[in-house]
Amino acid sequence: DAGITQSPRHKVTETGTPVTLRCHQTENHRYMYWYRQDPGHGLRLIHYSYGVKDTDKGEVSDGYSVSRSKTEDFLLTLESATSSQTSVYFCAIRARGGGLLMGYGYTFGSGTRLTVV
Amino acid sequence: ELKVEQNPLFLSMQEGKNYTIYCNYSTTSDRLYWYRQDPGKSLESLFVLLSNGAVKQEGRLMASLDTKARLSTLHITAAVHDLSATYFCAVEDYGGSQGNLIFGKGTKLSVKP
Repeated sequence: DAGITQSPRHKVTETGTPVTLRCHQTENHRYMYWYRQDPGHGLRLIHYSYGVKDTDKGEVSDGYSVSRSKTEDFLLTLESATSSQTSVYFCAIRARGGGLLMGYGYTFGSGTRLTVV
Repeated sequence: ELKVEQNPLFLSMQEGKNYTIYCNYSTTSDRLYWYRQDPGKSLESLFVLLSNGAVKQEGRLMASLDTKARLSTLHITAAVHDLSATYFCAVEDYGGSQGNLIFGKGTKLSVKP
């Protein structure tokens, strides 16, 4: 396991409240990602980070912000939660495999199930 | 913009039968990943395919990659109930970014006795 921990695992929140999800890794990986998973859509990229304080938007970034103040933590914030943000959120890290030909592997956390009521 | 299409989206199989899941993608990439997801769980990495013609096998599953056709297949041989899960393909996208995975919508496989 790549040592990825997501918290909380489950959360119910009210529309309009801010919510922060945390992704913590223990292996000093440079690249970290936030995806959301919805039925019929697969996984879609929200934001990603390629280093401390280096982040960029993904396909579905509207309504979300991220921060990475240290290598091990990547935070996803919903500034004002809406019902359309009810989803399962997965954090992922990208790790280099062994040798030049191994390429990168992506490992996913256990997920956070968020319900906005 | 890279798009990934999987088919079928739903697959009901009988035990002992063979079947293939297809993954097509729209722009050049030479890195393709297959994942398995059980209900309520995270994604488990099955295969990483890194070059044209790559073929990998693990038990009853075999994955291949044809980068010229922009097609990967996941072949299931003599299916068993334990293979019931949702399978995702994902293509690594470097177009204008640092690189990330673009996923297909997944194939929900149900293997019945």
